[in-house]
Amino acid sequence: RKEVEQDPGPFNVPEGATVAFNCTYSNSASQSFFWYRQDCRKEPNLLMSVYTSGNEDGRFTAQLNRASQYISLLIRDSKLSDSATYLCVVNGGRASGGSYIPTFGRGTSLIVHP
Amino acid sequence: EAGVAQSPRYKIIEKRQSVAFWCNPISGHATLYWYQQILGQGPKLLIQFQNNGVVDDSQLPKDRFSAERLKGVDSTLKIQPAKLEDSAVYLCASSLGLAYQETQYFGPGTRLLVL
Repeated sequence: RKEVEQDPGPFNVPEGATVAFNCTYSNSASQSFFWYRQDCRKEPNLLMSVYTSGNEDGRFTAQLNRASQYISLLIRDSKLSDSATYLCVVNGGRASGGSYIPTFGRGTSLIVHP
Repeated sequence: EAGVAQSPRYKIIEKRQSVAFWCNPISGHATLYWYQQILGQGPKLLIQFQNNGVVDDSQLPKDRFSAERLKGVDSTLKIQPAKLEDSAVYLCASSLGLAYQETQYFGPGTRLLVL
């Protein structure tokens, strides 16, 4: 089982739709979780952090389910500009010095059409 | 505030040649990361520095890849010799510290094509 798994999609949705992505992780000791957005041929940028049970920012809601070891990202009222790849990041593995090692999923592609 | 700077932005080389990438993190950021992102995949961590020390390099192919951050600020990543499968985007990121909740800020990346 991969450390961090995401459905690559693409998710093809009309404007105004609600769409949800899941990300599963294998390390039960993982401490922190993030969603990054990556536009085509650009660098990833932080969308949301997920520390405890979840986080909400406008149309975006991230949830954490520690028992089932997954995080989710919900996008309401999708806009054309939401079209991008959404990367899940899990800080789980520990380096020899005790710091956390970030692991990225492969990303989920979202296409919002008119 | 200036972001993470990387150069060059693009590089084309032939297999078995050497190449080096440079990264200057956000001022004051102690932690620096190098990632390799192959087309269609997520970024894969190659090496993580805290100031000028290596925190983790478990996924760095040390037979051909090397990285340094001598003065704890900017960093270079080198590939010697390059293979076809090294074609990827090399992303540099930085964060303020090592705490698990730290946000990473990414540079624009260097696109490497090995022919």
